[in-house]
Amino acid sequence: GAVVSQHPSRVICKSGTSVKIECRSLDFQATTMFWYRQFPKQSLMLMATSNEGSKATYEQGVEKDKFLINHASLTLSTLTVTSAHPEDSSFYICSARGPSRDRGAYNEQFFGPGTRLTVL
Amino acid sequence: AQSVTQPDIHITVSEGASLELRCNYSYGATPYLFWYVQSPGQGLQLLLKYFSGDTLVQGIKGFEAEFKRSQSSFNLRKPSVHWSDAAEYFCAVGGKTSYDKVIFGPGTSLSVIP
Repeated sequence: GAVVSQHPSRVICKSGTSVKIECRSLDFQATTMFWYRQFPKQSLMLMATSNEGSKATYEQGVEKDKFLINHASLTLSTLTVTSAHPEDSSFYICSARGPSRDRGAYNEQFFGPGTRLTVL
Repeated sequence: AQSVTQPDIHITVSEGASLELRCNYSYGATPYLFWYVQSPGQGLQLLLKYFSGDTLVQGIKGFEAEFKRSQSSFNLRKPSVHWSDAAEYFCAVGGKTSYDKVIFGPGTSLSVIP
């Protein structure tokens, strides 16, 4: 259980185009999803937190208009990189967290396999 | 401020030798601690986690970690390393509520010599 998928796994696009990445929780409902970015040989940097039915909360320094996040259902969040440029090339990882099963219990994050974006 | 440090950027060990990867954290509340492993070009795999209770936590692949509150540490250990353990290891800290972020350390790259 607790599987998170991402699609596509790899994408190559031309500079100036927009790219959409999907993150799905396959066997649980995710009230909260997180989007991370990882540069080569570096750690994961949190970009934004999305909660189903509400606007995403972006981390400082992340451009809201460039990285559009939509969490339209309890199993799907999308990240759209608008007007992509070569510096947006990176590994994007999402994670999903379900609702607490018990009051006070910790609800764990489950990570997707990541999407490699290359902008030419 | 919440943060995670992993003092060792890169570690090289011989196959069969023991391993310890260091992790220190700074967190204002009760921390929830994790170790993840990432192979090149792959996603994250959870090795183990600490929420409460016994401070020595057993994980997958023969890994264990010990939570030491007095030292704000959560070091990862393995008694005998296998060549397949070569990867990037990330320590992470999170909070209890649904909206708490998970903060990742910078990672430690592990190389294994045959």
